[in-house]
Amino acid sequence: NAGVTQTPKFQVLKTGQSMTLQCAQDMNHEYMSWYRQDPGMGLRLIHYSVGAGITDQGEVPNGYNVSRSTTEDFPLRLLSAAPSQTSVYFCASSYSPLVSSGNTIYFGEGSWLTVV
Amino acid sequence: DQQVKQNSPSLSVQEGRISILNCDYTNSMFDYFLWYKKYPAEGPTFLISISSIKDKNEDGRFTVFLNKSAKHLSLHIVPSQPGDSAVYFCAASAHGGTSYGKLTFGQGTILTVHP
Repeated sequence: NAGVTQTPKFQVLKTGQSMTLQCAQDMNHEYMSWYRQDPGMGLRLIHYSVGAGITDQGEVPNGYNVSRSTTEDFPLRLLSAAPSQTSVYFCASSYSPLVSSGNTIYFGEGSWLTVV
Repeated sequence: DQQVKQNSPSLSVQEGRISILNCDYTNSMFDYFLWYKKYPAEGPTFLISISSIKDKNEDGRFTVFLNKSAKHLSLHIVPSQPGDSAVYFCAASAHGGTSYGKLTFGQGTILTVHP
């Protein structure tokens, strides 16, 4: 998972608190995305970005905000944390819009978030 | 509605035997499929992929088979090794392979390979 760095790795929040999960990549990838992993659900796309200044919603965007001011960084903001947002969050990046054997999507190591 | 389904939450096999992990999909627009492997406390890592214009892709011990008419794909690992023990995710993409980093994942299958 070299190249995609997520912080923090673990976080406990109280309901209603806000926080930002940081994601940075040093591979000059244009395409970045955030997924959450829940038991029995696989990974679900929250938000994605096709370049600096451009973001769009994924499958489960409610309760989350993103911005992409630089190519390297793609932070995910929880506006008012809820217990339903307890999950493992993965940031990912890729250099091409194409899904092919020559372009793999690189994932970070994950951020474990618990909302109590 | 789960568009990509892995109906077996877990699979246990002996070292040296074949592991077969299955995946079904419902969206006819999916035209590229990938398998990811995930160890505990790590992010998923790309394993192997297949385009919908093919029915088989092989990479060393790993082979992916695609049956478009049945909307089914499978990952074969031969021979299985203890180091293959991990969670395996099936993922799919539409848009002619242009995913912009967006994938639809299955729920995952926990593979345990016993020595």
